Amino acid sequence: DTAVSQTPKYLVTQMGNDKSIKCEQNLGHDTMYWYKQDSKKFLKIMFSYNNKELIINETVPNRFSPKSPDKAHLNLHINSLELGDSAVYFCASSLTLAGGLSETQYFGPGTRLLVL
Amino acid sequence: AQKITQTQPGMFVQEKEAVTLDCTYDTSDPSYGLFWYKQPSSGEMIFLIYQGSYDQQNATEGRYSLNFQKARKSANLVISASQLGDSAMYFCAMRGANSGYALNFGKGTSLLVTP
Repeated sequence: DTAVSQTPKYLVTQMGNDKSIKCEQNLGHDTMYWYKQDSKKFLKIMFSYNNKELIINETVPNRFSPKSPDKAHLNLHINSLELGDSAVYFCASSLTLAGGLSETQYFGPGTRLLVL
Repeated sequence: AQKITQTQPGMFVQEKEAVTLDCTYDTSDPSYGLFWYKQPSSGEMIFLIYQGSYDQQNATEGRYSLNFQKARKSANLVISASQLGDSAMYFCAMRGANSGYALNFGKGTSLLVTP
Protein backbone atom coordinates (compact mmCIF):
# COMPACT_ATOMS: atom_id res chain seq x y z
CA ASP A 1 0.00 0.00 0.00
CA THR A 2 1.34 3.40 -0.98
CA ALA A 3 1.48 5.67 2.07
CA VAL A 4 1.43 9.03 0.26
CA SER A 5 0.31 9.03 -3.35
CA GLN A 6 0.17 11.81 -5.90
CA THR A 7 -1.51 12.05 -9.28
CA PRO A 8 -0.45 12.64 -11.91
CA LYS A 9 3.20 11.67 -11.79
CA TYR A 10 3.98 13.73 -14.90
CA LEU A 11 2.16 16.79 -16.16
CA VAL A 12 3.04 18.57 -19.38
CA THR A 13 0.92 21.57 -20.24
CA GLN A 14 0.84 24.88 -22.06
CA MET A 15 1.37 28.28 -20.50
CA GLY A 16 -1.86 29.82 -19.33
CA ASN A 17 -3.63 26.55 -18.58
CA ASP A 18 -5.11 25.58 -15.21
CA LYS A 19 -4.11 22.26 -13.67
CA SER A 20 -4.54 20.31 -10.45
CA ILE A 21 -2.35 17.85 -8.60
CA LYS A 22 -3.97 15.46 -6.16
CA CYS A 23 -2.45 14.00 -3.01
CA GLU A 24 -3.78 11.30 -0.72
CA GLN A 25 -2.29 9.73 2.39
CA ASN A 26 -3.50 6.54 4.05
CA LEU A 27 -1.39 6.91 7.19
CA GLY A 28 -4.05 8.55 9.30
CA HIS A 29 -1.91 11.66 9.63
CA ASP A 30 -3.33 15.03 10.64
CA THR A 31 -0.88 17.26 8.78
CA MET A 32 -0.11 17.53 5.07
CA TYR A 33 2.32 19.68 3.13
CA TRP A 34 3.17 20.83 -0.37
CA TYR A 35 6.83 21.38 -1.26
CA LYS A 36 8.29 22.66 -4.52
CA GLN A 37 11.63 21.41 -5.84
CA ASP A 38 13.10 23.71 -8.47
CA SER A 39 15.48 22.91 -11.31
CA LYS A 40 18.45 23.29 -8.95
CA LYS A 41 16.93 20.65 -6.66
CA PHE A 42 16.14 23.18 -3.93
CA LEU A 43 13.12 22.13 -1.85
CA LYS A 44 10.89 24.78 -0.32
CA ILE A 45 7.67 24.59 1.65
CA MET A 46 4.62 26.06 -0.04
CA PHE A 47 1.68 25.15 2.18
CA SER A 48 0.81 23.06 5.16
CA TYR A 49 -2.58 21.94 6.42
CA ASN A 50 -3.48 20.55 9.81
CA ASN A 51 -6.85 18.83 10.10
CA LYS A 52 -8.02 20.61 6.93
CA GLU A 53 -6.95 24.00 8.29
CA LEU A 54 -4.34 26.07 6.44
CA ILE A 55 -1.30 26.61 8.64
CA ILE A 56 1.53 27.75 6.38
CA ASN A 57 1.10 29.81 3.27
CA GLU A 58 4.54 30.83 2.11
CA THR A 59 5.14 33.61 -0.38
CA VAL A 60 3.54 31.70 -3.19
CA PRO A 61 1.65 33.45 -6.00
CA ASN A 62 -2.09 33.39 -5.41
CA ARG A 63 -2.40 31.42 -8.66
CA PHE A 64 -1.61 28.45 -6.39
CA SER A 65 -4.54 27.36 -4.27
CA PRO A 66 -4.45 24.34 -2.00
CA LYS A 67 -7.63 22.57 -1.01
CA SER A 68 -8.10 19.96 1.66
CA PRO A 69 -11.50 18.25 1.34
CA ASP A 70 -10.65 15.97 4.26
CA LYS A 71 -7.71 15.02 6.45
CA ALA A 72 -6.44 12.43 3.99
CA HIS A 73 -6.40 14.63 0.92
CA LEU A 74 -4.58 17.80 -0.04
CA ASN A 75 -4.89 19.00 -3.60
CA LEU A 76 -3.01 21.77 -5.35
CA HIS A 77 -4.69 23.82 -8.06
CA ILE A 78 -2.61 26.11 -10.23
CA ASN A 79 -4.21 28.78 -12.39
CA SER A 80 -2.67 30.48 -15.42
CA LEU A 81 0.45 28.36 -15.46
CA GLU A 82 3.73 30.10 -16.21
CA LEU A 83 7.06 28.78 -17.45
CA GLY A 84 8.57 29.34 -14.00
CA ASP A 85 6.08 26.95 -12.44
CA SER A 86 7.96 24.05 -14.02
CA ALA A 87 9.25 22.03 -11.08
CA VAL A 88 8.67 18.88 -9.08
CA TYR A 89 5.88 19.22 -6.53
CA PHE A 90 5.99 16.96 -3.51
CA CYS A 91 3.18 16.24 -1.14
CA ALA A 92 4.12 15.06 2.37
CA SER A 93 2.37 14.17 5.59
CA SER A 94 3.20 13.87 9.27
CA LEU A 95 1.27 12.48 12.21
CA THR A 96 0.67 15.85 13.80
CA LEU A 97 1.77 19.44 13.28
CA ALA A 98 3.73 20.12 16.43
CA GLY A 99 3.18 17.00 18.50
CA GLY A 100 6.82 16.04 18.35
CA LEU A 101 9.81 17.42 16.52
CA SER A 102 10.90 13.86 15.74
CA GLU A 103 7.84 13.14 13.64
CA THR A 104 8.97 12.03 10.24
CA GLN A 105 7.42 13.60 7.19
CA TYR A 106 6.59 11.01 4.57
CA PHE A 107 6.82 12.20 1.00
CA GLY A 108 4.83 11.26 -2.03
CA PRO A 109 6.62 10.31 -5.26
CA GLY A 110 6.41 13.84 -6.66
CA THR A 111 4.66 15.35 -9.66
CA ARG A 112 6.92 16.57 -12.43
CA LEU A 113 5.28 19.62 -13.98
CA LEU A 114 6.57 20.99 -17.25
CA VAL A 115 5.03 24.17 -18.61
CA LEU A 116 5.69 24.82 -22.30
CA ALA B 1 14.43 32.41 11.08
CA GLN B 2 16.15 29.19 10.18
CA LYS B 3 18.99 28.52 7.80
CA ILE B 4 20.49 25.22 6.67
CA THR B 5 23.82 25.19 4.86
CA GLN B 6 25.30 22.31 2.93
CA THR B 7 28.62 23.49 1.55
CA GLN B 8 29.48 20.43 -0.56
CA PRO B 9 27.61 20.47 -3.86
CA GLY B 10 29.20 17.17 -4.87
CA MET B 11 31.20 14.41 -3.22
CA PHE B 12 32.92 11.25 -4.42
CA VAL B 13 33.62 8.19 -2.32
CA GLN B 14 34.92 4.77 -3.14
CA GLU B 15 32.79 1.74 -2.44
CA LYS B 16 33.19 0.38 1.12
CA GLU B 17 34.71 3.64 2.36
CA ALA B 18 33.03 5.98 4.85
CA VAL B 19 31.93 9.47 3.85
CA THR B 20 30.81 12.53 5.80
CA LEU B 21 28.28 14.98 4.38
CA ASP B 22 28.38 18.36 6.07
CA CYS B 23 25.43 20.33 7.38
CA THR B 24 25.43 23.47 9.47
CA TYR B 25 22.38 25.32 10.66
CA ASP B 26 21.23 28.45 12.36
CA THR B 27 18.01 28.94 14.28
CA SER B 28 16.51 30.91 17.12
CA ASP B 29 14.27 27.99 18.10
CA PRO B 30 15.09 26.68 21.59
CA SER B 31 14.30 23.17 20.41
CA TYR B 32 14.36 21.75 16.92
CA GLY B 33 14.71 18.58 14.93
CA LEU B 34 17.32 17.79 12.32
CA PHE B 35 16.69 15.33 9.51
CA TRP B 36 18.53 13.81 6.59
CA TYR B 37 16.76 12.68 3.46
CA LYS B 38 18.08 10.80 0.45
CA GLN B 39 16.85 11.46 -3.07
CA PRO B 40 18.02 8.88 -5.61
CA SER B 41 17.86 9.56 -9.34
CA SER B 42 14.36 8.06 -9.38
CA GLY B 43 13.25 11.16 -7.47
CA GLU B 44 11.57 9.94 -4.29
CA MET B 45 12.46 11.45 -0.92
CA ILE B 46 13.61 8.82 1.57
CA PHE B 47 13.92 9.61 5.28
CA LEU B 48 17.26 8.44 6.70
CA ILE B 49 17.84 9.70 10.21
CA TYR B 50 16.64 12.16 12.85
CA GLN B 51 18.42 14.05 15.63
CA GLY B 52 16.64 16.10 18.29
CA SER B 53 18.32 19.21 19.63
CA TYR B 54 18.08 17.91 23.19
CA ASP B 55 19.19 14.37 22.43
CA GLN B 56 22.32 13.55 24.37
CA GLN B 57 23.50 10.84 22.04
CA ASN B 58 24.18 10.99 18.33
CA ALA B 59 21.56 9.21 16.26
CA THR B 60 22.40 6.04 14.37
CA GLU B 61 20.37 4.03 11.86
CA GLY B 62 22.21 1.11 10.37
CA ARG B 63 25.06 2.46 8.24
CA TYR B 64 23.94 6.05 8.85
CA SER B 65 25.02 8.08 11.84
CA LEU B 66 24.61 11.72 12.63
CA ASN B 67 27.55 13.61 14.10
CA PHE B 68 25.70 16.26 16.08
CA GLN B 69 27.73 19.10 17.55
CA LYS B 70 25.26 21.54 19.04
CA ALA B 71 27.77 24.21 20.02
CA ARG B 72 29.09 24.27 16.47
CA LYS B 73 25.55 24.03 15.06
CA SER B 74 26.50 21.15 12.85
CA ALA B 75 24.70 17.91 12.04
CA ASN B 76 26.88 15.95 9.68
CA LEU B 77 25.74 12.68 8.15
CA VAL B 78 28.22 9.83 8.18
CA ILE B 79 27.65 6.91 5.84
CA SER B 80 29.83 3.93 6.64
CA ALA B 81 30.79 1.18 4.18
CA SER B 82 29.43 3.06 1.15
CA GLN B 83 27.55 1.08 -1.46
CA LEU B 84 26.90 1.88 -5.11
CA GLY B 85 23.23 2.33 -4.22
CA ASP B 86 24.15 5.20 -1.92
CA SER B 87 24.75 7.41 -4.98
CA ALA B 88 22.07 10.10 -4.64
CA MET B 89 21.31 13.64 -3.50
CA TYR B 90 21.33 14.05 0.26
CA PHE B 91 19.39 16.80 1.97
CA CYS B 92 19.77 18.10 5.49
CA ALA B 93 16.61 19.66 6.94
CA MET B 94 15.44 21.30 10.13
CA ARG B 95 12.03 21.49 11.76
CA GLY B 96 10.94 23.81 14.52
CA ALA B 97 8.43 26.43 15.54
CA ASN B 98 10.10 29.09 13.40
CA SER B 99 9.48 27.03 10.29
CA GLY B 100 5.86 26.40 11.25
CA TYR B 101 7.00 22.81 11.81
CA ALA B 102 7.56 22.32 8.09
CA LEU B 103 10.94 21.09 6.92
CA ASN B 104 13.46 23.75 5.99
CA PHE B 105 15.97 22.16 3.58
CA GLY B 106 19.57 22.77 2.66
CA LYS B 107 20.59 22.86 -1.00
CA GLY B 108 21.73 19.25 -0.95
CA THR B 109 24.92 17.31 -1.64
CA SER B 110 25.24 14.98 -4.61
CA LEU B 111 27.12 11.84 -3.61
CA LEU B 112 28.66 9.52 -6.15
CA VAL B 113 29.96 6.15 -5.00
CA THR B 114 32.55 4.67 -7.33
CA PRO B 115 33.56 1.01 -7.62
